[in-house]
Amino acid sequence: SYELTQPPSVSVSPGQTASITCSGDKLGDKYVCWYQQKPGQSPVLVIHQDSQRPSGIPARFSGSNSGNTATLTISGTQAMDEADYYCQAWDSGTVVFGGGTKLTVL
Amino acid sequence: QVQLQESGPGLVKSSQTLSLTCAVSGVSISSGGYSWSWIRQPPGKGLEWIGHMYYSGSTYYKPSLRGRVTTSIDTSKNQFSLKLSSVTAADTAVYYCARGTTHYFDFWGQGTPVTVSS
Repeated sequence: SYELTQPPSVSVSPGQTASITCSGDKLGDKYVCWYQQKPGQSPVLVIHQDSQRPSGIPARFSGSNSGNTATLTISGTQAMDEADYYCQAWDSGTVVFGGGTKLTVL
Repeated sequence: QVQLQESGPGLVKSSQTLSLTCAVSGVSISSGGYSWSWIRQPPGKGLEWIGHMYYSGSTYYKPSLRGRVTTSIDTSKNQFSLKLSSVTAADTAVYYCARGTTHYFDFWGQGTPVTVSS
């Protein structure tokens, strides 16, 4: 079955750029989206179709996808961005989530 | 505004069937164009897709859960449902319903916790 791999944790200082990766076989051939989940809350879509931001998502969130790796980039990271982030893709009619990355802003 | 709300028992005994319902408002399930999905999250763990269905009746389930999962739509109540049979402690999780497009889930319910007890 298809798998998406994320680093368990990423740390970033306030105001700096955070990059969270998601790896999978020929992932660049698929559309990837990203969700942000804060404790006790439902996931929120922050990037879809590799690099598209939904309405209401700050411009500091951006995404890319090429080869075997998709990347979520948060520029000028703020304390409010501290959360778990999950990548997601489709494979053969099924949905696959990455294991999630805990972003710590310190 | 599209809203989804899960409901169902918070406690299910081992080997029995877990049944949840997701009430949808702000959009008609029968309007088509979207998938209606179930996703769960075990305590302290990541998201796990369970399956989804379309108004047309097509269904797709996670292979490892196929055989235990059944989903259905009730257009008269604008809601959809999940049944997961022969549950074990491993099925303890927060269960979310969500609306899906071709590539992503754009609206999620608040989630409902389900504990499987022995």
